[in-house]
Amino acid sequence: ETGVTQSPTHLIKTRGQQVTLRCSSQSGHNTVSWYQQALGQGPQFIFQYYREEENGRGNFPPRFSGLQFPNYSSELNVNALELDDSALYLCASSLAANEQFFGPGTRLTVL
Amino acid sequence: DAKTTQPPSMDCAEGRAANLPCNHSTISGNEYVYWYRQIHSQGPQYIIHGLKNNETNEMASLIITEDRKSSTLILPHATLRDTAVYYCIVRAIVSGNTPLVFGKGTRLSVIA
Repeated sequence: ETGVTQSPTHLIKTRGQQVTLRCSSQSGHNTVSWYQQALGQGPQFIFQYYREEENGRGNFPPRFSGLQFPNYSSELNVNALELDDSALYLCASSLAANEQFFGPGTRLTVL
Repeated sequence: DAKTTQPPSMDCAEGRAANLPCNHSTISGNEYVYWYRQIHSQGPQYIIHGLKNNETNEMASLIITEDRKSSTLILPHATLRDTAVYYCIVRAIVSGNTPLVFGKGTRLSVIA
């Protein structure tokens, strides 16, 4: 157990809808990173939040956005869902640039 | 793109040592070698990391070659619960954004 929790565990949406995924970081961690993992692939970096500011982004379009709150929990929002957005979404918390600890993930299915 | 190369799969007999290799010939001086593993349908689990010296913790040992171009993760007594995909990652620890760049990893199957 890493102390990182994510909700919901599973979610089914249809194309064009919007979704919000949530992550609670480990106590004492001030950085949250989000990753997308398609079936059979390694996780791909979406973006990172440090002290409520986005401080890095991978190759994902603007319809992927996020927030980090004063308690360092975080949300990932995806607008205008596409079929290819179906994946396991992982968040990882860390203390600044130290090792990242992952939550169990949210499995998103887009129909 | 991932800066590491790993074999796609390996088998290991239960109770024996599992030695997972990783090549990272373009590693930079400020980049560490990290290992994570992912058991089916779970989030990746941090195992160990190192810069140039060998490292050991309660889960595994990490052996890094002197030229730092390759490394080996050693699970000393593999159990069935060690069956997972193992990812070797090189990562600089600097202030600011330092994401993990995952490749496809090595699928380790521990066989009874």
